[in-house]
Amino acid sequence: QKEVEQDPGPLSVPEGAIVSLNCTYSNSAFQYFMWYRQYSRKGPELLMYTYSSGNKEDGRFTAQVDKSSKYISLFIRDSQPSDSATYLCAMSSRRSGTSYGKLTFGQGTILTVHP
Amino acid sequence: DAGITQSPRHKVTETGTPVTLRCHQTENHRYMYWYRQDPGHGLRLIHYSYGVKDTDKGEVSDGYSVSRSKTEDFLLTLESATSSQTSVYFCAISGGGGQGYEQYFGPGTRLTVT
Repeated sequence: QKEVEQDPGPLSVPEGAIVSLNCTYSNSAFQYFMWYRQYSRKGPELLMYTYSSGNKEDGRFTAQVDKSSKYISLFIRDSQPSDSATYLCAMSSRRSGTSYGKLTFGQGTILTVHP
Repeated sequence: DAGITQSPRHKVTETGTPVTLRCHQTENHRYMYWYRQDPGHGLRLIHYSYGVKDTDKGEVSDGYSVSRSKTEDFLLTLESATSSQTSVYFCAISGGGGQGYEQYFGPGTRLTVT
């Protein structure tokens, strides 16, 4: 079993829809949670960064972390065609000494928002 | 955007030749990483650095070596390129302000080994 599971999709929604992207994980040491957006032939771009449990909102994007269920989500409101991309979840445990804060990534979900 | 550049952006090379990829940052971040991204495998860590001259292996380090002689530069070398090393290579940095766990990625290098 992978440490981080993410439904690869693909996910296709109409413009204006609310999109829900999810990841589950098995390592209870994870405390730092990130969502990246990757456009085709580009590098991953950090969208959201959350520490521990709770919600964080940034414009049309909301990240939720439920550590008790080992489940994280990214919600996109009023989705736009420009949101079409691959979305990657990533997480890390606390860094100690020379421990480098390794990120464990999900496989990525391919999202298409059609006009 | 985080100040990360990678060079070259595209490279085609022959099996058995050495190849060096360069990552350059202007953010003065402590940690630097090399990943490869392949269909079906996602992002996999090759090597990372936690300071100048301090490096360690990631999960897919065989056939790769790295060096970091300055804070801003992290080099990835394929000693003798093989077709299985055809991939997209990303550099990332972390360790900036705040908690510093988030990583920022460069634009990538698309490497083809023929």
